[in-house]
Amino acid sequence: QVQLVQSGAEVKTPGASVKVSCRTSGYSFGKYYIHWVRQAPGQGLEWMGGGTASAQKFQGRVTMTSDTSTSTVYMELSSLRSEDTAVYYCARPMFSGNSREAFDIWGQGTLVTVSS
Amino acid sequence: SSELTQPPSVSVSPGQTARIICSGDALSKQFAYWYQQRPGQAPSLVIYKDTQRPSGIPERFSGSTSGTTVTLTISGVQPEDEADYYCQSPDNSGPYVLFGGGTKLTVL
Repeated sequence: QVQLVQSGAEVKTPGASVKVSCRTSGYSFGKYYIHWVRQAPGQGLEWMGGGTASAQKFQGRVTMTSDTSTSTVYMELSSLRSEDTAVYYCARPMFSGNSREAFDIWGQGTLVTVSS
Repeated sequence: SSELTQPPSVSVSPGQTARIICSGDALSKQFAYWYQQRPGQAPSLVIYKDTQRPSGIPERFSGSTSGTTVTLTISGVQPEDEADYYCQSPDNSGPYVLFGGGTKLTVL
């Protein structure tokens, strides 16, 4: 079945970078763009980027890459600050192509803690 | 600015009908999607393209739309429906994705 499996929790100091991985399986990797969504403690969902775009809030700080040989997608966030403490999710849309709709498959989430 | 607005909370008794509204300009031209998130879990899609249910989602979940407002209706609410619900749509103003602020459904 379709699965997204994310890397483990991270603890970073302010100013550092974090790179979260999302290993995909069960479908044709190149047909779907993976998106990234984060959730700060007690807060709502916040879209970070996916497809060919990133949220304006994160432009210049977020880099999304992929490794087709391992069907893995990566999200790197730089210049971390305490407000970046959150659970980071990867998510796959229901529809193939550059879709921004119907995220029906989600990773389990990766907790990133930013603390000095 | 592009945004989706939801009420912070809705409370109903078991067996009653819960309605969660989401409003935003983007919804006049884009489909809406609804997600359920239970504590400690990843979100789960419950409605897509305004009114469609993914396989495995109970029939008591339904969606409707009118202009710039969409509604998630849960008929005959069950205790296990207690969760946070988020609406989502593509942004009309650019290649972005919008999420509503989320609504906490409490089953009394």
